[in-house]
Amino acid sequence: DAKTTQPTSMDCAEGRAANLPCNHSTISGNEYVYWYRQIHSQGPQYIIHGLKNNETNEMASLIITEDRKSSTLILPHATLRDTAVYYCIVRVGGGYNKLIFGAGTRLAVHP
Amino acid sequence: ETGVTQTPRHLVMGMTNKKSLKCEQHLGHNAMYWYKQSAKKPLELMFVYSLEERVENNSVPSRFSPECPNSSHLFLHLHTLQPEDSALYLCASSQDVTHTGELFFGEGSRLTVL
Repeated sequence: DAKTTQPTSMDCAEGRAANLPCNHSTISGNEYVYWYRQIHSQGPQYIIHGLKNNETNEMASLIITEDRKSSTLILPHATLRDTAVYYCIVRVGGGYNKLIFGAGTRLAVHP
Repeated sequence: ETGVTQTPRHLVMGMTNKKSLKCEQHLGHNAMYWYKQSAKKPLELMFVYSLEERVENNSVPSRFSPECPNSSHLFLHLHTLQPEDSALYLCASSQDVTHTGELFFGEGSRLTVL
Protein backbone atom coordinates (compact mmCIF):
# COMPACT_ATOMS: atom_id res chain seq x y z
CA ASP A 1 0.00 0.00 0.00
CA ALA A 2 1.15 3.55 -0.78
CA LYS A 3 2.53 5.71 2.01
CA THR A 4 0.91 8.96 3.06
CA THR A 5 2.31 12.23 4.39
CA GLN A 6 0.31 14.52 6.66
CA PRO A 7 1.18 17.61 8.69
CA THR A 8 1.85 16.81 12.33
CA SER A 9 -0.63 19.34 13.68
CA MET A 10 -3.14 21.99 12.63
CA ASP A 11 -5.34 24.56 14.32
CA CYS A 12 -8.81 25.69 13.36
CA ALA A 13 -11.25 28.20 14.80
CA GLU A 14 -14.64 26.90 15.83
CA GLY A 15 -17.23 27.38 13.11
CA ARG A 16 -14.66 27.67 10.34
CA ALA A 17 -13.84 25.01 7.77
CA ALA A 18 -10.97 22.68 8.62
CA ASN A 19 -8.98 21.58 5.57
CA LEU A 20 -6.66 18.65 6.28
CA PRO A 21 -4.20 17.79 3.50
CA CYS A 22 -2.70 14.41 2.68
CA ASN A 23 -0.01 13.56 0.19
CA HIS A 24 0.01 10.09 -1.42
CA SER A 25 2.19 10.62 -4.45
CA THR A 26 2.87 6.88 -4.98
CA ILE A 27 -0.78 5.85 -5.01
CA SER A 28 -1.78 3.18 -7.52
CA GLY A 29 -4.86 3.16 -9.68
CA ASN A 30 -6.71 0.62 -7.55
CA GLU A 31 -5.90 2.14 -4.17
CA TYR A 32 -8.55 3.88 -2.12
CA VAL A 33 -8.05 6.88 0.16
CA TYR A 34 -9.57 6.54 3.63
CA TRP A 35 -9.90 9.02 6.45
CA TYR A 36 -10.38 8.08 10.09
CA ARG A 37 -10.15 10.12 13.25
CA GLN A 38 -9.36 9.24 16.84
CA ILE A 39 -10.62 11.32 19.69
CA HIS A 40 -8.44 11.02 22.78
CA SER A 41 -8.45 7.53 24.32
CA GLN A 42 -11.22 6.27 22.05
CA GLY A 43 -11.20 3.88 19.12
CA PRO A 44 -10.72 5.32 15.63
CA GLN A 45 -13.86 6.43 13.83
CA TYR A 46 -14.42 6.12 10.09
CA ILE A 47 -15.06 9.42 8.31
CA ILE A 48 -15.06 8.90 4.55
CA HIS A 49 -13.29 7.15 1.69
CA GLY A 50 -12.96 7.51 -2.07
CA LEU A 51 -11.20 6.23 -5.16
CA LYS A 52 -11.25 8.94 -7.83
CA ASN A 53 -14.26 11.15 -7.40
CA ASN A 54 -14.88 13.67 -4.68
CA GLU A 55 -17.09 12.34 -1.91
CA THR A 56 -19.36 13.96 0.65
CA ASN A 57 -21.26 12.59 3.61
CA GLU A 58 -22.81 14.00 6.75
CA MET A 59 -19.44 14.32 8.45
CA ALA A 60 -17.08 15.66 5.80
CA SER A 61 -16.06 16.09 2.18
CA LEU A 62 -13.13 14.40 0.48
CA ILE A 63 -11.46 16.17 -2.40
CA ILE A 64 -9.05 14.04 -4.47
CA THR A 65 -6.84 15.76 -7.04
CA GLU A 66 -7.15 14.69 -10.64
CA ASP A 67 -3.75 12.96 -10.59
CA ARG A 68 -4.77 11.32 -7.26
CA LYS A 69 -1.43 12.21 -5.67
CA SER A 70 -3.04 14.20 -2.89
CA SER A 71 -6.34 14.73 -1.16
CA THR A 72 -8.00 17.07 1.31
CA LEU A 73 -10.49 16.27 4.03
CA ILE A 74 -12.85 19.15 4.68
CA LEU A 75 -14.85 19.54 7.88
CA PRO A 76 -17.17 22.37 6.79
CA HIS A 77 -17.98 23.85 10.20
CA ALA A 78 -15.53 22.60 12.81
CA THR A 79 -16.69 22.25 16.40
CA LEU A 80 -14.72 21.66 19.58
CA ARG A 81 -15.76 17.99 19.40
CA ASP A 82 -13.82 17.67 16.13
CA THR A 83 -10.55 18.00 18.05
CA ALA A 84 -8.83 14.68 17.30
CA VAL A 85 -6.04 12.96 15.40
CA TYR A 86 -6.99 12.53 11.75
CA TYR A 87 -5.51 9.66 9.76
CA CYS A 88 -5.23 9.51 5.98
CA ILE A 89 -4.75 5.91 4.80
CA VAL A 90 -4.33 4.36 1.38
CA ARG A 91 -5.19 0.73 0.73
CA VAL A 92 -5.66 -1.53 -2.21
CA GLY A 93 -9.19 -2.46 -3.09
CA GLY A 94 -9.76 -6.20 -3.09
CA GLY A 95 -6.87 -7.02 -0.81
CA TYR A 96 -7.19 -7.78 2.86
CA ASN A 97 -8.92 -4.90 4.60
CA LYS A 98 -5.95 -4.17 6.81
CA LEU A 99 -5.59 -0.48 7.37
CA ILE A 100 -2.05 0.69 8.17
CA PHE A 101 -2.17 3.81 10.31
CA GLY A 102 0.50 6.51 10.31
CA ALA A 103 1.03 9.30 12.81
CA GLY A 104 -1.86 11.40 11.47
CA THR A 105 -2.61 15.10 11.93
CA ARG A 106 -3.53 16.39 15.36
CA LEU A 107 -6.32 18.92 14.76
CA ALA A 108 -7.07 21.37 17.56
CA VAL A 109 -10.31 23.33 17.24
CA HIS A 110 -10.34 26.38 19.48
CA PRO A 111 -13.13 28.80 20.45
CA GLU B 1 -21.89 3.18 20.11
CA THR B 2 -20.17 1.45 17.20
CA GLY B 3 -21.58 -2.05 17.61
CA VAL B 4 -18.19 -3.36 18.76
CA THR B 5 -17.85 -3.94 22.51
CA GLN B 6 -14.58 -4.58 24.29
CA THR B 7 -14.11 -5.81 27.86
CA PRO B 8 -12.53 -5.04 30.17
CA ARG B 9 -11.96 -1.36 29.47
CA HIS B 10 -9.02 -1.28 31.86
CA LEU B 11 -6.77 -4.12 33.00
CA VAL B 12 -3.73 -4.17 35.27
CA MET B 13 -1.71 -7.36 35.39
CA GLY B 14 1.61 -8.64 36.61
CA MET B 15 4.16 -10.19 34.30
CA THR B 16 3.31 -13.71 35.48
CA ASN B 17 -0.45 -13.38 35.18
CA LYS B 18 -2.70 -14.82 32.51
CA LYS B 19 -5.60 -12.69 31.37
CA SER B 20 -7.84 -12.31 28.35
CA LEU B 21 -9.34 -9.41 26.42
CA LYS B 22 -12.74 -9.92 24.86
CA CYS B 23 -14.33 -8.33 21.82
CA GLU B 24 -17.89 -8.81 20.60
CA GLN B 25 -19.45 -7.33 17.49
CA HIS B 26 -23.20 -7.00 16.93
CA LEU B 27 -23.00 -6.01 13.27
CA GLY B 28 -23.12 -9.36 11.51
CA HIS B 29 -19.60 -8.85 10.17
CA ASN B 30 -17.33 -11.64 9.01
CA ALA B 31 -13.92 -10.08 9.66
CA MET B 32 -12.35 -9.05 12.96
CA TYR B 33 -9.04 -7.41 13.84
CA TRP B 34 -6.77 -6.71 16.80
CA TYR B 35 -4.71 -3.51 16.82
CA LYS B 36 -2.23 -2.28 19.42
CA GLN B 37 -1.62 1.39 20.19
CA SER B 38 1.35 2.16 22.40
CA ALA B 39 1.95 5.63 23.81
CA LYS B 40 3.02 8.12 21.15
CA LYS B 41 3.05 5.41 18.43
CA PRO B 42 0.71 4.75 15.50
CA LEU B 43 -1.75 1.91 15.66
CA GLU B 44 -0.16 -1.43 14.82
CA LEU B 45 -2.14 -4.22 13.20
CA MET B 46 -1.69 -7.48 15.13
CA PHE B 47 -4.11 -10.09 13.79
CA VAL B 48 -6.80 -10.42 11.13
CA TYR B 49 -9.56 -13.03 11.22
CA SER B 50 -11.96 -13.94 8.44
CA LEU B 51 -14.85 -16.24 9.37
CA GLU B 52 -12.97 -17.54 12.43
CA GLU B 53 -9.83 -18.24 10.40
CA ARG B 54 -6.68 -16.28 11.12
CA VAL B 55 -5.48 -14.77 7.84
CA GLU B 56 -2.83 -12.39 9.14
CA ASN B 57 -0.35 -12.52 12.01
CA ASN B 58 1.77 -9.40 11.89
CA SER B 59 4.89 -10.84 13.59
CA VAL B 60 3.26 -10.72 17.00
CA PRO B 61 5.11 -12.45 19.90
CA SER B 62 3.62 -15.74 21.06
CA ARG B 63 2.78 -14.30 24.48
CA PHE B 64 -0.24 -12.82 22.64
CA SER B 65 -2.60 -15.61 21.60
CA PRO B 66 -5.75 -14.74 19.66
CA GLU B 67 -8.88 -16.85 19.50
CA CYS B 68 -11.94 -16.44 17.31
CA PRO B 69 -14.58 -19.04 18.29
CA ASN B 70 -17.19 -17.54 15.95
CA SER B 71 -17.55 -14.53 13.70
CA SER B 72 -19.02 -12.39 16.51
CA HIS B 73 -16.37 -12.95 19.17
CA LEU B 74 -12.65 -12.37 19.31
CA PHE B 75 -10.33 -12.91 22.26
CA LEU B 76 -6.75 -11.96 22.95
CA HIS B 77 -5.17 -14.22 25.55
CA LEU B 78 -2.25 -12.67 27.40
CA HIS B 79 0.47 -14.49 29.33
CA THR B 80 3.92 -13.60 30.67
CA LEU B 81 3.69 -10.10 29.27
CA GLN B 82 6.36 -7.43 29.60
CA PRO B 83 5.92 -3.84 30.80
CA GLU B 84 6.46 -2.63 27.22
CA ASP B 85 3.26 -4.48 26.27
CA SER B 86 1.31 -1.84 28.16
CA ALA B 87 -0.91 -0.22 25.54
CA LEU B 88 -4.43 0.36 24.28
CA TYR B 89 -5.66 -2.78 22.52
CA LEU B 90 -8.32 -2.10 19.93
CA CYS B 91 -10.68 -4.54 18.29
CA ALA B 92 -12.36 -3.80 14.97
CA SER B 93 -14.71 -5.54 12.57
CA SER B 94 -15.69 -5.15 8.93
CA GLN B 95 -18.25 -6.71 6.62
CA ASP B 96 -15.66 -9.08 5.27
CA VAL B 97 -11.91 -9.14 5.03
CA THR B 98 -11.76 -7.74 1.49
CA HIS B 99 -14.59 -5.24 1.72
CA THR B 100 -13.57 -1.71 0.85
CA GLY B 101 -15.91 -0.16 3.39
CA GLU B 102 -15.18 0.99 6.87
CA LEU B 103 -13.74 -0.69 9.90
CA PHE B 104 -15.78 -0.35 13.07
CA PHE B 105 -13.61 -0.01 16.16
CA GLY B 106 -14.40 -0.69 19.78
CA GLU B 107 -13.43 1.70 22.58
CA GLY B 108 -10.37 -0.35 23.42
CA SER B 109 -8.95 -2.15 26.44
CA ARG B 110 -6.20 -0.23 28.21
CA LEU B 111 -3.65 -2.69 29.54
CA THR B 112 -1.00 -1.92 32.14
CA VAL B 113 1.67 -4.55 32.83
CA LEU B 114 3.50 -4.12 36.11
